[in-house]
Amino acid sequence: SSELTQDPAVSVALGQTVRITCQGDSLRSYYATWYQQKPGQAPILVIYGKNNRPSGIPDRFSGSSSGNTASLTITGAQAEDEADYYCNSRDSSGIHVVFGGGTKLTVL
Amino acid sequence: QVQLVQSGAEVKKPGASVKISCKASGYTFTSYYMHWVRQAPGQGLQWVGVINPSGGSTVYAQKLQDRLSMTRDTSTSTFYMELSSLRSEDTALYYCARDRSKDGYADTFDYWGQGTLVTVSS
Repeated sequence: SSELTQDPAVSVALGQTVRITCQGDSLRSYYATWYQQKPGQAPILVIYGKNNRPSGIPDRFSGSSSGNTASLTITGAQAEDEADYYCNSRDSSGIHVVFGGGTKLTVL
Repeated sequence: QVQLVQSGAEVKKPGASVKISCKASGYTFTSYYMHWVRQAPGQGLQWVGVINPSGGSTVYAQKLQDRLSMTRDTSTSTFYMELSSLRSEDTALYYCARDRSKDGYADTFDYWGQGTLVTVSS
């Protein structure tokens, strides 16, 4: 079982805003990192730290955190955003890395 | 440009061992920790472990630590992951993924290999 919990599936209408959440006790101490994975491809980094985007990631992607919950928000979702999204962080020991179970985002 | 190129697919019998490689290029090899992550068919991502390329120290996922070995060869800029006593549940796509942090390791993987499929079947 994962120490980080994500909703299995979320849907959003094209152009609307969607929030994908990640819950876990370790998130009170560590930031979550977010990855996007499309079928048949390796994951790519989309958000890290407090709210940082790597070069090439559109600014419609943003991250936030409150208590034991981290969120990835896509403002104005596009068809190409349809993918699986994973959060990760440290576990409660602070030594190991743990992933959430992933959220499948469907853009309607 | 940073590139991580992994070795090809493997098919192994239960109880055997597998060793896969990840050749790094385009950056200073000893400056960035390397993680391994696996993904069983149709499942999510699972962290396997991390290696310090400078000293070779490792941290492994608890459920795999008795069967896992991560090494590196600084002369060829290559990382290796060996998993022994293979079981059917080890069937997965194994990725190497570079840690973005230059000091120690975090949980931010900025470059990924293409993945190596390991199939365990009798």
